[in-house]
Amino acid sequence: KNEVEQSPQNLTAQEGEFITINCSYSVGISALHWLQQHPGGGIVSLFMLSSGKKKHGRLIATINIQEKHSSLHITASHPRDSAVYICAVRLGGAQKLVFGQGTRLTINP
Amino acid sequence: EAGVTQSPTHLIKTRGQQATLRCSPISGHTSVYWYQQALGLGLQFLLWYDEGEERNRGNFPPRFSGRQFPNYSSELNVNALELEDSALYLCASSSRTAYNEQFFGPGTRLTVL
Repeated sequence: KNEVEQSPQNLTAQEGEFITINCSYSVGISALHWLQQHPGGGIVSLFMLSSGKKKHGRLIATINIQEKHSSLHITASHPRDSAVYICAVRLGGAQKLVFGQGTRLTINP
Repeated sequence: EAGVTQSPTHLIKTRGQQATLRCSPISGHTSVYWYQQALGLGLQFLLWYDEGEERNRGNFPPRFSGRQFPNYSSELNVNALELEDSALYLCASSSRTAYNEQFFGPGTRLTVL
């Protein structure tokens, strides 16, 4: 079993829909990252969380440390949001990141 | 402020050759991380350098190696290339005061023929 599990693996939605991507992890962590990877490979760091909730524009990320679960929400989704979204956790005491398999999001106009 | 840069963007090699990938961290960042994203697989941690020393490595064979220079830039070397080494190699950097936050470069796509 992977230490970091994301769901769904693939998600297709219509423009304007509310999107939720989930991430569960099985180990103690010191931080959780949400990353966005566009075709071509470049990765952008969207959020880093250790507790609570963060919001940036139409993106919201939440984390529940007790339940070892995080969600990434996109409100009023747009075709330019189409990308792979990756959850990564920083294990407590370690510097390396452990990644989920990613969620491929496609937003159709 | 310039972000993390990587070179080359693409690299094509044949089996058995050596590949050298380069990464320049954000100015002021002392840690550099290397990750591999092979086709069909998720990102996997390769190496972490900090202050010129290798601090941690992932589950990769010794033919994956690297170094960090005094200016904190880094090289990743892959010897005796195998077909399955074909992947996107991503570099990230972080600062000493905000080590939790890693900033990623655009990646080098290595193709082994």
